[in-house]
Amino acid sequence: QVQLQESGPGLVKASETLSLTCTVSGYSISSGYYWAWIRQPPGKGLEWIGSIFHSGDTFYNPSLKSRVTISVDTSKNQLSLKLNSVTATDTAVYYCARGPGDYGDNEAWGQGTLVTVSS
Amino acid sequence: QSVLTQPPSASGTPGQRVTISCSGSSSNIGTNTVNWYQQLPGTAPKLLIYSNNQRPSGVPGRFSGSKSGTSASLAISGLQSEDEADYHCATWDDSLRGWVFGGGTKVTVL
Repeated sequence: QVQLQESGPGLVKASETLSLTCTVSGYSISSGYYWAWIRQPPGKGLEWIGSIFHSGDTFYNPSLKSRVTISVDTSKNQLSLKLNSVTATDTAVYYCARGPGDYGDNEAWGQGTLVTVSS
Repeated sequence: QSVLTQPPSASGTPGQRVTISCSGSSSNIGTNTVNWYQQLPGTAPKLLIYSNNQRPSGVPGRFSGSKSGTSASLAISGLQSEDEADYHCATWDDSLRGWVFGGGTKVTVL
């Protein structure tokens, strides 16, 4: 059974770069599926940040595209997120996911990690 | 401002049927399938419905989804106390070339 675990600093200073890693176990990223980063500001709804296919093809949210980089390290079976020039509005719980999509039972999400941007 | 529109709240007594709407446009719901997620307090979203009306294994049959035109709905039949949660709809948007979510609906069991 696949498991996803986000990790990274819980506090980032404004104007700096937010960097998170998602370690995948129980499934090889290189075997397929789209993998995504999704965030949720406190008390608000979900926002898709971007997705990457195992081949490296990426899709980004147009509103974040200029600041976001998503990549995979198949040797470590990890997904990574970099978001630069952060502001307080980037404070959120960040989730990595296998999906979203019509994956049914094969869709999976990590537990999420809270990142707070401080001034 | 979310691309998909959901009512912020819904409620019902135990055993009642509750329906949540999700309104979109021709570039998203009108063209693509819809997922629904349940998010219990303090936890990650969990896939509840995919491909408009399919339930992953383990999801109780009292949850059902439907889609018509540019809108989708989630119905909870026989509402139970453990159904108190936030519910989110999601789909792919062909114009934005990305996934879009609704703002979420908080379901309260009275």
